[in-house]
Amino acid sequence: DIQMTQSPSSLSASVGDRVTITCQASQDISNYLNWYQQKPGKAPKLLIYDASNLETGVPSRFSGSGSGTDFTFTISSLQPEDIATYYCQQYDNLSVTFGQGTKLEIK
Amino acid sequence: QVTLKESGPVLVKPTETLTLTCTVSGFSLSNARMGVSWIRQPPGKALEWLAHIFSNDEKSYSTSLKSRLTISKDTSKSQVVLTMTNMDPVDTATYYCARMLLWFGERMDVWGKGTTVTVSS
Repeated sequence: DIQMTQSPSSLSASVGDRVTITCQASQDISNYLNWYQQKPGKAPKLLIYDASNLETGVPSRFSGSGSGTDFTFTISSLQPEDIATYYCQQYDNLSVTFGQGTKLEIK
Repeated sequence: QVTLKESGPVLVKPTETLTLTCTVSGFSLSNARMGVSWIRQPPGKALEWLAHIFSNDEKSYSTSLKSRLTISKDTSKSQVVLTMTNMDPVDTATYYCARMLLWFGERMDVWGKGTTVTVSS
């Protein structure tokens, strides 16, 4: 199975900061990588698909990049409503794997 | 409007079989560009993918749980059913179903609110 290593596991930043989360796959997954946001007590929400495509309705301060094994998720200017846990997720023909999550807090 | 709703028991006993139903609306389970996944999340822990099923009845399961899981669908009822055998307290979690959109990639674009299952005697 493909393993996803997400870092950091937690992050504290100030409003307006640029925030970056990384995700590394255990093998080449091309661009088969999605990013989700989960707020406490809520279901996850799709933000980015295929590594760099912004889901409809998602603010443009969210972005993603990468291919192969190394991926990056960025919030260009952190807003108070961005406090959540963020997950990367890979897919191939046989299975799906989520990263361990990054809990984002306001400093 | 696309919605998914999970239903099933709140409490199951160890060794019992869990049966969860995902009822979808706003799309058809026969749509070739769509499927349904089940995902769970133990309290305070990460998301864990369990299984998915596509319109052509193709199925895939988590390697670690494959022996305990069965996924099926009833297109006429717009329902996807997941069964998990031999439940254990470590299976206590919120269980989600999500639509898989197979268009320019593959992603879980709409999620249900989840249903919480506790395993205890």
